[in-house]
Amino acid sequence: DIVMTQSPDSLAVSLGERATINCKSSQSVLYSSNNKNYLAWYQQKPGQPPKLLIYWASTRDSGVPDRFSGSGSGTDFTLTISSLQAEDVAVYYCQQYYSTPIFTFGPGTKVDIK
Amino acid sequence: EVQLVESGGGLVQPGGSLRLSCAASGFTFSSYWMSWVRQAPGKGLEWVANIKQDGSEKYYVDSVKGRFTISRDNAKNSLYLQMNSLRAEDTAVYYCARRGSSGWYVRYWGQGTLVTVSS
Repeated sequence: DIVMTQSPDSLAVSLGERATINCKSSQSVLYSSNNKNYLAWYQQKPGQPPKLLIYWASTRDSGVPDRFSGSGSGTDFTLTISSLQAEDVAVYYCQQYYSTPIFTFGPGTKVDIK
Repeated sequence: EVQLVESGGGLVQPGGSLRLSCAASGFTFSSYWMSWVRQAPGKGLEWVANIKQDGSEKYYVDSVKGRFTISRDNAKNSLYLQMNSLRAEDTAVYYCARRGSSGWYVRYWGQGTLVTVSS
């Protein structure tokens, strides 16, 4: 099974500053035949279901602000919030879907305001 | 608009059973694999089970194999999760989920239904 890890567990960032979350997979999630990374990012606010932010490691879902960006390839990935807003306080999860139809999530990273 | 509405959660004793339902609308239900994902209180997300469009393939996380059964009724646009031999560690919010059109990221989530296993 592909195991996902995230770092840090939590971080506090000042409003307007950059937040960076890392995600690592135990094996590559890059599919060589189409050169796509099978990696997604979600945002979850308290009492709400998760919301898809990014898929294919770097494609923003419809309506997601462009301050959210995803990067990385193979086993190492990053979610960046370029200028943290108050409404971005949430827990962020990465997910691999390379081992479809079985997929796994990272443990989550909590983002707060400093 | 895609909607996924779960029901059937509640309080059940250890060893008991519960059946969750998910009513889907706003898309052609029979065209998509469907999933259940759970989240224990204060914990992260855990994929539970997937079912193919026609129900011919089903996959489960190891911790529920032999106890949970995923099923669907395409005529009723409904997804189900039959949970037997429930344990305290099955306590969680259970989300009905649909994959994206181009990949297995979860594009749509229901609001979730809480299952509490306790005596």
